[in-house]
Amino acid sequence: NAGVTQTPKFQVLKTGQSMTLQCAQDMNHNSMYWYRQDPGMGLRLIYYSASEGTTDKGEVPNGYNVSRLNKREFSLRLESAAPSQTSVYFCASSPDRGIGNNEQFFGPGTRLTVL
Amino acid sequence: GENVEQHPSTLSVQEGDSAVIKCTYSDSASNYFPWYKQELGKRPQLIIDIRSNVGEKKDQRIAVTLNKTAKHFSLHITETQPEDSAVYFCAAKAGSGGYNKLIFGAGTRLAVHP
Repeated sequence: NAGVTQTPKFQVLKTGQSMTLQCAQDMNHNSMYWYRQDPGMGLRLIYYSASEGTTDKGEVPNGYNVSRLNKREFSLRLESAAPSQTSVYFCASSPDRGIGNNEQFFGPGTRLTVL
Repeated sequence: GENVEQHPSTLSVQEGDSAVIKCTYSDSASNYFPWYKQELGKRPQLIIDIRSNVGEKKDQRIAVTLNKTAKHFSLHITETQPEDSAVYFCAAKAGSGGYNKLIFGAGTRLAVHP
């Protein structure tokens, strides 16, 4: 199993450009998440999806949109990138059915720089 | 909403010493508290977690304690080794519902010196 995969690994954008970050998991997990990680601020939840076809806002959703394409894939879109969106983005997934199935598994991350 | 505070932000210990990291949370309905370790340039990985119906949990050199009344939980690492050097994040599940929405602390950078 590859676990959680993310593409691309690195990306540089100019202010105002758009892009989509891709995430896929092969563990048959129900829930998927997008976080951003900034120095000294830990991981902040952008959006999450508890199941295929549903998405909900997290702590910092402004400037982002998401799509849960199917059970495996959860994409994050920046419509008009801003320098404040420079960060490392992590995708995660978790089984989330029943007690004891809450562990979140993280992807390798995408390092995004907006100039 | 849930808020998680983590202390200290940096911790330096000698190899073999113990390390303790503390977190407080605000939502009394939270019932799941994981700890993640993140090595430099790597992804966060779960090292231990605890649920609100348990006061303490151990896994070899790592233990977590939970005080629901005071709304705080702590990570204890004994006999520290250089490979324990990393950033450690605590988290609390927002609310007691089925969705696993985690709120993370800001992290503790642990350095273990040989």
